[in-house]
Amino acid sequence: AQTVTQSQPEMSVQEAETVTLSCTYDTSENNYYLFWYKQPPSRQMILVIRQEAYKQQNATENRFSVNFQKAAKSFSLKISDSQLGDTAMYFCALPYGGSQGNLIFGKGTKLSVKP
Amino acid sequence: NAGVTQTPKFQVLKTGQSMTLQCAQDMNHEYMSWYRQDPGMGLRLIHYSVGAGITDQGEVPNGYNVSRSTTEDFPLRLLSAAPSQTSVYFCASSFGRITEAFFGQGTRLTVV
Repeated sequence: AQTVTQSQPEMSVQEAETVTLSCTYDTSENNYYLFWYKQPPSRQMILVIRQEAYKQQNATENRFSVNFQKAAKSFSLKISDSQLGDTAMYFCALPYGGSQGNLIFGKGTKLSVKP
Repeated sequence: NAGVTQTPKFQVLKTGQSMTLQCAQDMNHEYMSWYRQDPGMGLRLIHYSVGAGITDQGEVPNGYNVSRSTTEDFPLRLLSAAPSQTSVYFCASSFGRITEAFFGQGTRLTVV
């Protein structure tokens, strides 16, 4: 069975500092994507970054980057130069196997950026 | 470019009432899904569809029905609302089976 685990229910960081959110997963698929979604207080689910499993290079989107360790099935999100607008729930997600076209989500990490 | 549109944004129901949450997407995506979000639980899959006329159950399907008569629309029906169905509901669509999902703005449903 596929699983996604986020072991940090809550984290906080000072503005302008760096924070890393952890995610581990399990899948029997060989070719897959991994995603980090952000959910601010507005409730909207926003894609932050995606990683293709067959690419060894870690994905980067501006201040957001991942540390993808395929053998260890680890997919952490690093936020650099944290901003107040980064305050949100962050969810790690993995597509279900087979033909479903759906995602399985971790339980989320609530990140608070403090001024 | 509307993306995924959900209505309503908020709803209060009495126990036993029925209602339909609407979801429409204009991206010609084949895959559509419904999730519910409860505190501390992340998002859990209720029902999904891989194309018009094809639906299947997800992780938590009990008490919900879906149908997919067109590519664009994927309504979720609550047959007889229960307090346990108090949650935030998200509709999502995706282009392929392993690509990212695009989400609607969510519906906060309270059953009293």
